[in-house]
Amino acid sequence: QVQLQQSGPGLVKPSQTLSLTCVISGDSVSSNSAAWNWIRQSPSRGLEWLGRTYYRSKWHNDYAVSVKTRMTINPDTSKNQFYLQLKSVTPEDTAVYYCARDRETATTFWFDLWGQGTLVTVSS
Amino acid sequence: SYVVTQPPSVSVAPGKTARIPCGGNNIGSKNVHWYQQKPGQAPVLVIYYDTDRPSGIPERFSGSNSGNTATLTISRVEAGDEADYYCQVWASNSDHVVFGGGTKLTVL
Repeated sequence: QVQLQQSGPGLVKPSQTLSLTCVISGDSVSSNSAAWNWIRQSPSRGLEWLGRTYYRSKWHNDYAVSVKTRMTINPDTSKNQFYLQLKSVTPEDTAVYYCARDRETATTFWFDLWGQGTLVTVSS
Repeated sequence: SYVVTQPPSVSVAPGKTARIPCGGNNIGSKNVHWYQQKPGQAPVLVIYYDTDRPSGIPERFSGSNSGNTATLTISRVEAGDEADYYCQVWASNSDHVVFGGGTKLTVL
């Protein structure tokens, strides 16, 4: 059974870096038929896609414009997991963060598997 | 940027049919995906590529997409279907994933 298990701190201070890990079981971060995403959800912003990493002969990353300058998503093939780093956080970054697997065609992609979610609060 | 709009709430009696719309400019030209989210849980994919159901999702869940509206239809609604439902598209012109604001389905 394919699962995504998230971990990371629930409290981050303003201006610091938010770091989360998503461990993949039952699939591979290097899969040629999947991509690995981070999505967050807050009452003010709803569901917001943040970015993804995927392998298609080489590694690729896509990021949402809203976080592109602050965000890094990296795969770790040795541990079959991937990471989120969001720099210079503010209280606006307070949200439940999800990792998710996507499937895609030439014209679209959708999220068929989600992690359990991690509530991250940005506060001093 | 592309915007999709959902009504905040839909109510339906048990055993009846619920229809949850997702509106967007010429959304029929895009592929729409739907998620169910119960309180305290992660979203679950219930419809992808407008009309396809993942394995394990009951046949009572179906989707359609034409013109400016995509619709998630839940037939023979059960109490366990009470949840928030979100539509999602990929706006290729902006390379951007877009989620609707969600519709809370209440089973009366």
